[in-house]
Amino acid sequence: AQSVTQPDIHITVSEGASLELRCNYSYGATPYLFWYVQSPGQGLQLLLKYFSGDTLVQGIKGFEAEFKRSQSSFNLRKPSVHWSDAAEYFCAVAPNSGNTPLVFGKGTRLSVIA
Amino acid sequence: SQTIHQWPATLVQPVGSPLSLECTVEGTSNPNLYWYRQAAGRGLQLLFYSVGIGQISSEVPQNLSASRPQDRQFILSSKKLLLSDSGFYLCAWSGGGSNLYYEQYFGPGTRLTVT
Repeated sequence: AQSVTQPDIHITVSEGASLELRCNYSYGATPYLFWYVQSPGQGLQLLLKYFSGDTLVQGIKGFEAEFKRSQSSFNLRKPSVHWSDAAEYFCAVAPNSGNTPLVFGKGTRLSVIA
Repeated sequence: SQTIHQWPATLVQPVGSPLSLECTVEGTSNPNLYWYRQAAGRGLQLLFYSVGIGQISSEVPQNLSASRPQDRQFILSSKKLLLSDSGFYLCAWSGGGSNLYYEQYFGPGTRLTVT
C-alpha cells in the first residue's frame, strides 16, 4: 500500500543548531513531494515542493529538502533553527500516476530551546 | 492573489445538534476543494474532496456530509453531532483543473468542540 512515513514524532533542537526532518514514502514511481508547516491553531503553509528536476529544492523561511530516489526519502533541512520555527511539520506525497489527492504523513513536532 | 476563508473560527455545539461549516475561495476558478479533520495530537484526515460543482468524493464513512453549491464554496455538514466530531477542521484548495496532485493551500481552520 502507498504510504508516507515521518519516523520522528517529536524533535527538540537548540536555537541556532541545524535541523533535519525525515520523510520516507513507498510508491512504485517517483511521486510529487511536499513539505508543509503548521503553527498551533493555524492552517498548513506550503514550505516547498518537488515535481522533477534538481533534487535539492529551496523553499521559504530558509528551508530546503533533498529528494533521494534510492532511499525513497525527501528530508527537510535548515542550517540554523530559529525559535519561530517551532511548529508541526508535515510531509505529503502525491503519486504521479492516477489521480488521487495528496497523502500526508502524521507530522513531526519541532520544539526549539534556547 | 488567491485567498481561502473559513467560518466560523471556533464553534461549541452540543451533542446531537446540526453542523454547518463554510469554506470559500477567492481569486481562482474551478479549484479542487478539500475538507480535513485534525483530532487533538493527531495528523490530517481527509474527509471529502470535490473537483467541481456537485461532485463530492468521500474518503471516510461517517455522519458528516459535504456539498459544493457554487464553484468556490464548499460546505461541511452534519445532522447530529457526536462527541467524536470534535477537532480542528481545515479546508484547502488546489489548482490544476481536476488533477489532484498539485499542492494544496489551506484555510485558517475551524475549531469545533462538541459538548
